[in-house]
Amino acid sequence: EPEVTQTPSHQVTQMGQEVILRCVPISNHLYFYWYRQILGQKVEFLVSFYNNEISEKSEIFDDQFSVERPDGSNFTLKIRSTKLEDSAMYFCASSEGTATQETQYFGPGTRLLVL
Amino acid sequence: GQNIDQPTEMTATEGAIVQINCTYQTSGFNGLFWYQQHAGEAPTFLSYNVLDGLEEKGRFSSFLSRSKGYSYLLLKELQMKDSASYLCAVRAHNYGQNFVFGPGTRLSVLP
Repeated sequence: EPEVTQTPSHQVTQMGQEVILRCVPISNHLYFYWYRQILGQKVEFLVSFYNNEISEKSEIFDDQFSVERPDGSNFTLKIRSTKLEDSAMYFCASSEGTATQETQYFGPGTRLLVL
Repeated sequence: GQNIDQPTEMTATEGAIVQINCTYQTSGFNGLFWYQQHAGEAPTFLSYNVLDGLEEKGRFSSFLSRSKGYSYLLLKELQMKDSASYLCAVRAHNYGQNFVFGPGTRLSVLP
């Protein structure tokens, strides 16, 4: 069964450093998403991406964040200058479309720890 | 704004039935989804409702009342492996096609 994959599974970085989180969505899916989950808190939407551009973004997704689809398979989230409060699990998701019944399929996540 | 409420924790016994409630207040509504999340893992899709009524899927059923802003997930014949968090997520019109997640309900299944 096709699945969303993410690398790395864990990332430890120093405050102020740049990190790039990588995702490979399901191959026939057209819509891609990033969510984050701070430990013990709810899953929060960051950004959605379609046709090589951002379709929606939340207030969390400020200028420190960017997304890119550098090739036909990868979808990345970059945090330019990490802060302590960026420590969280970051989930990538993808969906075939955005019709009402379309669900989003989540990757296993990248656990980011900023020291 | 968007607001989704779920009980924080529930406990049930193996073999029993448990109902996990979700209430929502969103500007626009375009479907309600239930996900299961084991600790440290990704959410996995369980069920979806857009019309009022009950959707059954094996041991899991989900109910929706749009007029009441209410849904529940019913788990039958509980197994130990059902111990997980259950996330209610609403797709709201004015939030694009993205999900607003509730806080999740942590279910513990005891022997």
